[in-house]
Amino acid sequence: DFVMTQTPLSLSVTPGQPASISCKSSQSLLHRDGKTYFYWYLQKPGQSPQLLIYEVFRRFSGVPDRFSGSGSGTDFTLKISRVEAEDVGTYYCMQGTDFPHTFGQGTKLEIK
Amino acid sequence: EVKLVESGGDVVQPGGSLRLSCATSGFAFDDLSMHWVRQAPGKGLEWVSLISSDGSRTYYGDSVKGRFTISRDNSKNSLYLQMDSLRPEDTALYYCVKDDYGSVLFDYWGQGTLVTVSS
Repeated sequence: DFVMTQTPLSLSVTPGQPASISCKSSQSLLHRDGKTYFYWYLQKPGQSPQLLIYEVFRRFSGVPDRFSGSGSGTDFTLKISRVEAEDVGTYYCMQGTDFPHTFGQGTKLEIK
Repeated sequence: EVKLVESGGDVVQPGGSLRLSCATSGFAFDDLSMHWVRQAPGKGLEWVSLISSDGSRTYYGDSVKGRFTISRDNSKNSLYLQMDSLRPEDTALYYCVKDDYGSVLFDYWGQGTLVTVSS
């Protein structure tokens, strides 16, 4: 199985400051079809998860452009250019390249 | 508006069975793959199972393989999860999740239904 490892597991950020979360896969997520099936989700407190980023860097509909994704192969990053209060919650990376699909452990973002 | 409404969660004894349902609306259900994802209390997300749009292909996570069965009824726009030989570690909130076209996975999630396995 593909193991997804996120760092850090928690971070506390002052509003207006940037934040960055890393996710590393135990194997390359480049599919034989040429796509990389890598995703970022945010689970706000008390809510179901929501899709932020798909295929490494594509923002899902309605996601603010302060969120950006990058990376390739086994190393990926989610960046928030200027954290806002509404960004609190737990961020999960996920791979959909192979079965079983696997999530990272989650990174809890808090506001200072 | 896309809606995914799970039901069927309950308290069940170890070794017991339960069937979860997910009623959907607001999208072309028979065009898209569907998943179950679970979250144990206070824990992270775990992918459980996928079923293709026509039901011909199914996949399972290692921890549920051989015990859970995913199915769908496209005439009713509904997704199901038959859970047998339940274990305490299956205790979790079970989410019904849809894919979209192309490589968009898990674009909409239901609110979840709680399964508790305890004697």
